[in-house]
Parts: sequence; structure tokens; C-alpha cells
Amino acid sequence: DVKVTQSSRYLVKRTGEKVFLECVQDMDHENMFWYRQDPGLGLRLIYFSYDVKMKEKGDIPEGYSVSREKKERFSLILESASTNQTSMYLCASSRLAGAGNEQFFGPGTRLTVL
Amino acid sequence: EDQVTQSPEALRLQEGESSSLNCSYTVSGLRGLFWYRQDPGKGPEFLFTLYSAGEEKEKERLKATLTKKESFLHITAPKPEDSATYLCAVRGTQGGSEKLVFGKGTKLTVNP
Repeated sequence: DVKVTQSSRYLVKRTGEKVFLECVQDMDHENMFWYRQDPGLGLRLIYFSYDVKMKEKGDIPEGYSVSREKKERFSLILESASTNQTSMYLCASSRLAGAGNEQFFGPGTRLTVL
Repeated sequence: EDQVTQSPEALRLQEGESSSLNCSYTVSGLRGLFWYRQDPGKGPEFLFTLYSAGEEKEKERLKATLTKKESFLHITAPKPEDSATYLCAVRGTQGGSEKLVFGKGTKLTVNP
């Protein structure tokens, strides 16, 4: 079974703090993704990576950065957290494009910025 | 731009009352339509992938079908444990084929 794990289920941070969200997958997938999910707005892609040290901006990259130093690990960084970054953050992984490259999601991190 | 619209936004059923959820899409070159189930406070769980019009897939009480413009998720004789939000997503050839475009979901409640 594909397993995607995220470092925290719940996280509370203060405005201005630097926040790291970690994601690890155990299926040797090339692609990894970070989304945020908000009521009424659905899933929105922040960044994705198709290889180690490679990254591409998604639909809402402002205020975020990412790091992928190893194939299995993809980190989302909030350089200076703000209250409008309070959200559910979801990590996903998939094989490269082709048949069967559905994305598999982690359990999510509920981040609250005070 | 690829787009996905799901309807209805919310659906309440009685246990055993069959129904369908709709996913309408516009995409430049469909390379996959995906259905997910999401329970409150959890990550989406993959259900099905459909690739071409006419394709159907089944899993327990769920059956997904695909046409050139929409997909349906049919739920036969639902049980309370089928209550969840169901998400539809498409992958096209535009803007990087690794990405999915998600709909906002249909929240299904099945009452005992």
C-alpha cells in the first residue's frame, strides 16, 4: 500500500514564525505535491516537484517555498506565517505522467496561525 | 483552462436510496479523470481513474462512469458509512500534465 505521512496532524504557530511541514512517501514516486484546502475553495495546488531538487509553482505559491533534497521527502516552508495561511495542508505523491499516475494523499496537517 | 464542476454541493439520502453525483469537466485532452473520497479532517482517499468515454469502474456500492463531458459516481443502496465528501479531478495536457484540477466536491450524508 502507498503510504504518505505528514509530520504533524495539528500545528499552532504565531504570526511571523517560520513553519516547516514535512511529507514522506514510501513508494518511490517521482512526483510530490503540496495543496491547501479551505472551505468553499476546494483543493488548491501550492507547489509540486517531479524530481529531486526540482520544483514548479502551482496556483498559489505566494508566501510559501519548498525543498526536495531526497526523493521520498518534500517540505513546505512558510517563511513568515500569517493568519491567512491558517488552513488544512495536504501532501500527495504520484508516479510520472502515464497510466496509473493517480495521486495518493497524506492525512493532512491542520495549521492554525494566531 | 481546465475546469471541473461538481453537483450537487450537498446530498442527503436515506439508507438504501440510490443516487448519482455529477462531475462536469472541460479539459484540453483528457489524460485521466479521478474520483476520491474524503472523510472529515482526513486526506482524500483514491477511488477510481477513468481514461476514456464509455469506461466504467466499480467498487462495492460505487460505480463511476465517463462521457466526453462528464462523469457520474453512482451509489447503489448506500449505507451511513458511505457518508463523506466525494471529489472529482481531471488531468489534461495543458499547463504540465503532472497536475490535477479538482472540483469542490459533493458532501454526501446517508441517514440510517
